[in-house]
Amino acid sequence: EAGVTQFPSHSVIEKGQTVTLRCDPISGHDNLYWYRRVMGKEIKFLLHFVKESKQDESGMPNNRFLAERTGGTYSTLKVQPAELEDSGVYFCASSLGDSKTQYFGPGTRLLVL
Amino acid sequence: GNSVTQMEGPVTLSEEAFLTINCTYTATGYPSLFWYVQYPGEGLQLLLKATKADDKGSNKGFEATYRKETTSFHLEKGSVQVSDSAVYFCALSDPRRANSKLTFGKGITLSVRP
Repeated sequence: EAGVTQFPSHSVIEKGQTVTLRCDPISGHDNLYWYRRVMGKEIKFLLHFVKESKQDESGMPNNRFLAERTGGTYSTLKVQPAELEDSGVYFCASSLGDSKTQYFGPGTRLLVL
Repeated sequence: GNSVTQMEGPVTLSEEAFLTINCTYTATGYPSLFWYVQYPGEGLQLLLKATKADDKGSNKGFEATYRKETTSFHLEKGSVQVSDSAVYFCALSDPRRANSKLTFGKGITLSVRP
């Protein structure tokens, strides 16, 4: 069974540009989460989808971040326009039903110059 | 709110040394507790978990016991190997809701030298 996959693995962009990150959860997992780790700090929650609905978006830093999960399968996280402080590693995770165990992808390393 | 505190790092050990990484938490109720590991160049992997007080999670020679009285979930291994070099994260899930977000500690980098 394939795990959680993320694309791209790395992205280097300039301040003001737009970047879109993609996450494909484990097949059949209805819960999808986005997290972010800024250099040397905690991994912080961004938002949680249940199927295509946003269950909790309390961790989204501002309106430059837009997450979607059309059809309840893969998800995208768009940052527009990117700022220097958006640099970090963006992790996606998925889980099934009421399970508390989340399975993480390899992350996307974003560098904003 | 919920929080996780991990001991400061980094930690450097010689092969076959004993490892303890401290983790304490603050939460209302009884959260599930996790240790995740990130090996160099890879993503986060679930190492072990415990869902209720006095439970012991174990995997790959690592162990951690859910201690409600001290609100702790310390990670231990009796004899570390070079391949254990990684970043270790302690985390908890909100006990009030199923499938809720994880709250992580800052992570600690472990380096094991031959």
